[in-house]
Amino acid sequence: IVMTQSPLSLPVTPGEPASMSCRSSQSLLHTNGYNYVDWYLQKPGRSPQLLIYVGSLRAPGVPDRFSGSGSGTDFTLKISRVEAEDVGVYFCMQGLQTPRTFGQGTKVEIK
Amino acid sequence: EVQLVESGGGLVQPGGSLRLSCVASGLTVTSNYMSWVRQAPGKGLEWVSVLNTDGSTDYADSVKGRYIVSSDKFKNALNLQMNRLRVDDTGVYYCARQSESSFDHWGQGILVSVSS
Repeated sequence: IVMTQSPLSLPVTPGEPASMSCRSSQSLLHTNGYNYVDWYLQKPGRSPQLLIYVGSLRAPGVPDRFSGSGSGTDFTLKISRVEAEDVGVYFCMQGLQTPRTFGQGTKVEIK
Repeated sequence: EVQLVESGGGLVQPGGSLRLSCVASGLTVTSNYMSWVRQAPGKGLEWVSVLNTDGSTDYADSVKGRYIVSSDKFKNALNLQMNRLRVDDTGVYYCARQSESSFDHWGQGILVSVSS
């Protein structure tokens, strides 16, 4: 399954909303009703961290300014009000099949 | 608190071998699905292999036949034996716990450099 993210670069203003997209080459909707897409943030020099799983559920400790939506092949990650600590590369990943596959990443940086 | 600590990386010539280890605390390796994910310099993430709870394994096509994933019950560790290394195997290797479909805990990563 090929995962395609856009945009690849996203300049953001603190306090403003931000949105990024992820598209899969085949549906990630399972018969159980969950969409098997995750979102990860890799801050500069750090390991990736799980933000959103099964499309819309926030991982423990993730601020509620992060939200995930979408179904089938089109997914979106939104940040309601960007903070300086949100800079880094955001990756989507499909968890439906092995091999797990990731998008190319969206690099978020402060304007 | 879950901690995953990788070791064993370094510089190796093409065709050589390395063995990575990921020691876990706060979870039991053999009771969890455990994966290796790598990241080439300046690039994205690539899933490499998984060790399932039943002991079965799976690999990315790019490493199949060259890499072997295993566990050490006594050290509570996940291992990755990497043979016939190529220049394009260079990168940071992360071990990660797979909870259901997601990677919810990651190690700090270990650098593997393959160069002559």
